[in-house]
Amino acid sequence: DAGITQSPRYKITETGRQVTLMCHQTWSHSYMFWYRQDLGHGLRLIYYSAAADITDKGEVPDGYVVSRSKTENFPLTLESATRSQTSVYFCASSPGQGIQPQHFGDGTRLSIL
Amino acid sequence: AQSVAQPEDQVNVAEGNPLTVKCTYSVSGNPYLFWYVQYPNRGLQFLLKYITGDNLVKGSYGFEAEFNKSQTSFHLKKPSALVSDSALYFCAVREASGGSYIPTFGRGTSLIVHP
Repeated sequence: DAGITQSPRYKITETGRQVTLMCHQTWSHSYMFWYRQDLGHGLRLIYYSAAADITDKGEVPDGYVVSRSKTENFPLTLESATRSQTSVYFCASSPGQGIQPQHFGDGTRLSIL
Repeated sequence: AQSVAQPEDQVNVAEGNPLTVKCTYSVSGNPYLFWYVQYPNRGLQFLLKYITGDNLVKGSYGFEAEFNKSQTSFHLKKPSALVSDSALYFCAVREASGGSYIPTFGRGTSLIVHP
């Protein structure tokens, strides 16, 4: 089925470990985004990508790394997880810079102990 | 710079009554405006958008929103609320030309519809 899928849906890990969150979309949308959602902060943009091999920092990029070797995949890596990175992470895609809305995955709930 | 404000963290309404979720925005030029809904353990789902034209925009699930340029507002409305409308609602804005193509989201408003 067409759509945007995130994996895993739930993850528990320990501080200092590396964690990679996966995002895959089947629409061939050019633009992809990573957000984190925390109570009191709403959605905050971590990184975004305009096309394969083009990525840029958002509002809260520290401690995160992204790559986009293929249009359909946009993994997010926490190189050395910290407790402050406990959050719900959402991936989104959109077809272009124009008027089209974003399409969101169902999120990854990440707990760092 | 662009910004959006949702002044109410929570809105409570009785089933069958009209509902309004407020959103105000700030952009340098003309805005593109969006409303999304988030149900528990799900991602955001697009409801409706204002790009240009008619100030009253109709969207999914019977929702509509009114664009008011003089008040820089884009309030979400529904004539008769359902318990199933209970969810988190997000307003988003981006500038229509120039600036960043990345939308800015509000902090969200929790809508609770009481039976």
